[in-house]
Amino acid sequence: GAVVSQHPSWVICKSGTSVKIECRSLDFQATTMFWYRQFPKQSLMLMATSNEGSKATYEQGVEKDKFLINHASLTLSTLTVTSAHPEDSSFYICSARGREAVKVADTQYFGPGTRLTVL
Amino acid sequence: QKEVEQNSGPLSVPEGAIASLNCTYSDRGSQSFFWYRQYSGKSPELIMSIYSNGDKEDGRFTAQLNKASQYVSLLIRDSQPSDSATYLCAVILTGGGNKLTFGTGTQLKVEL
Repeated sequence: GAVVSQHPSWVICKSGTSVKIECRSLDFQATTMFWYRQFPKQSLMLMATSNEGSKATYEQGVEKDKFLINHASLTLSTLTVTSAHPEDSSFYICSARGREAVKVADTQYFGPGTRLTVL
Repeated sequence: QKEVEQNSGPLSVPEGAIASLNCTYSDRGSQSFFWYRQYSGKSPELIMSIYSNGDKEDGRFTAQLNKASQYVSLLIRDSQPSDSATYLCAVILTGGGNKLTFGTGTQLKVEL
């Protein structure tokens, strides 16, 4: 159980275009989803926290108008990188947390990640 | 002081040995602790969670938590080359809105 998928697994796009990444919890309802970014040889950096039906909460320094997050259902969240530029090239990873008993609900399960390359 | 600290390594152990990975945290009120494994180019994979002082065992993995000393460790028995990865310690800090705060990770190399 606790499987999270992401689509696409990799994407290459031209500078100035927008890219949408989907994150789905396949076998549980995710009350909260998190979006991370990871540059080579660096640790995970939390970008934003998204609760179903609410606006996402962005971390300091993350542009909310550039990284649009939608969490329309308990199993789907999307991240749209708008007007992507080469410096946005990174490994984007989502995670999801369920609504079960408190201790289980603490646990975040990660998707496989999406590697974005902006030319 | 960083909120969650890990030695970046690399930690090299011979195959079959016990690998010991350590993590310290600054928030004395933290209650939830996690170990994730991340292979190069892949996303983190949950190994185990621990919430109470003491040891928690799952197969070859044992997590140890000492809240008084504010450290959590992960022991890997009978280390295998396939265990070679970066191990991330993550803590839910009080007042952190249930967000995970990650350490920078320890790179483990299991040598034949």
